[in-house]
Amino acid sequence: EVHLVESGGGLVQPGGSLRLSCAASGFIFSSSAMSWVRRAPGKGLEWVSGISGSGGSTFYGDSVKGRVTISRDNSRKTLYLQMSSLRVEDTAVYYCAKDRGSNWGQGTLVTVSS
Amino acid sequence: DIQMTQSPSSLSASVGDRVTITCRASQGVSNWLAWYQQKAEKAPKSLISGASSLESAVPSRFSGSGSGTDFTLTISDLQPEDFATYYCQQYKSYPHTFGQGTRLEMK
Repeated sequence: EVHLVESGGGLVQPGGSLRLSCAASGFIFSSSAMSWVRRAPGKGLEWVSGISGSGGSTFYGDSVKGRVTISRDNSRKTLYLQMSSLRVEDTAVYYCAKDRGSNWGQGTLVTVSS
Repeated sequence: DIQMTQSPSSLSASVGDRVTITCRASQGVSNWLAWYQQKAEKAPKSLISGASSLESAVPSRFSGSGSGTDFTLTISDLQPEDFATYYCQQYKSYPHTFGQGTRLEMK
């Protein structure tokens, strides 16, 4: 069974940094592209970033480009999202997802506030 | 970037009704289109991929159709557990954009 568990969320001040992690199990992690998707309070789903199975190709949404870096450690079966220069509008629940969204984690809340 | 537009943004219906949600892409995405259901503070659940392929364990009252730029999600014989928010997503090209969502409420 596919299992994805996010961690690393929390309260951070504007301009701060945070690294999210997503631990994967139940599938061949290195063969699967992975994504980060977020949902801000009162808003819809927003695709944030994606990475190929090897980690050699990365992709970003316009709203986070230049401020976040997606990466993965296939030996640890873990996906990461390094976020910097955080803004109030980055406040959201962040989900990791397998492939384009076949399976999802439970999400981790990031709150950007002073 | 490919823009995805869903309609309606909200919908009121009753148990037993048949409802249809539409999704339009700003450019052709072939059948690289998925539908998701999200309830309250839960993680999204994948319902349909490839525009019309039902995911495992998803009830057959859900169906999807379309190709290119115009797609529909139909729920026949609405059940109480179907009241939720629904999203379409294109995954033909990055960024894998979502529609703005359709909130399905009980009448």
